[in-house]
Amino acid sequence: EAEVAQSPRYKITEKSQAVAFWCDPISGHATLYWYRQILGQGPELLVQFQDESVVDDSQLPKDRFSAERLKGVDSTLKIQPAELGDSAMYLCASSPRGVRANEQFFGPGTRLTVL
Amino acid sequence: SQQGEEDPQALSIQEGENATMNCSYKTSINNLQWYRQNSGRGLVHLILIRSNEREKHSGRLRVTLDTSKKSSSLLITASRAADTASYFCATAAGAGSYQLTFGKGTKLSVIP
Repeated sequence: EAEVAQSPRYKITEKSQAVAFWCDPISGHATLYWYRQILGQGPELLVQFQDESVVDDSQLPKDRFSAERLKGVDSTLKIQPAELGDSAMYLCASSPRGVRANEQFFGPGTRLTVL
Repeated sequence: SQQGEEDPQALSIQEGENATMNCSYKTSINNLQWYRQNSGRGLVHLILIRSNEREKHSGRLRVTLDTSKKSSSLLITASRAADTASYFCATAAGAGSYQLTFGKGTKLSVIP
């Protein structure tokens, strides 16, 4: 079965450095989500794309975070500069069109540690 | 912000026993979903129940929804060690809105 791919799986960086995460959704999935999950909490939505357009980025800290999905396929989430409080799991999910549009398929996540 | 609140936060049971997790939410919903997350991994969709449904089954899973109480429960019957994971409820607010708001999760440990 097709899966959402994310890389890297783990990233350790020092505060004030820039980091980038990559996500490749399941082929044909129109909607792509980026979540942040702090240890012991549920995922919180950062940004939602429909094809190449941003649907909702109201929870994205835009002073330091940016996200793009230029061709409506894969996506990159960037943090610059990273802060200690950004340490978390960053999850990407995608959804198909049609009857299963409510269901989200998650990638394995990128575990970010900011020192 | 978190919409759902799962209860209990942690649950430990013996293999073969049933596990029940509860979820409460605050605002009206279109549907409610349950996801499982194995340690350090991504989430896996388990089951979706729509606001006009009261109960749904999938294999060993049974989900109930009480919109008047804004609550849902997930029952896993005849638990197995492989069911050890965190379980999250997630709510979708309105028709056509596919955004999910997740709770904090219940950590289930099934002891062999």
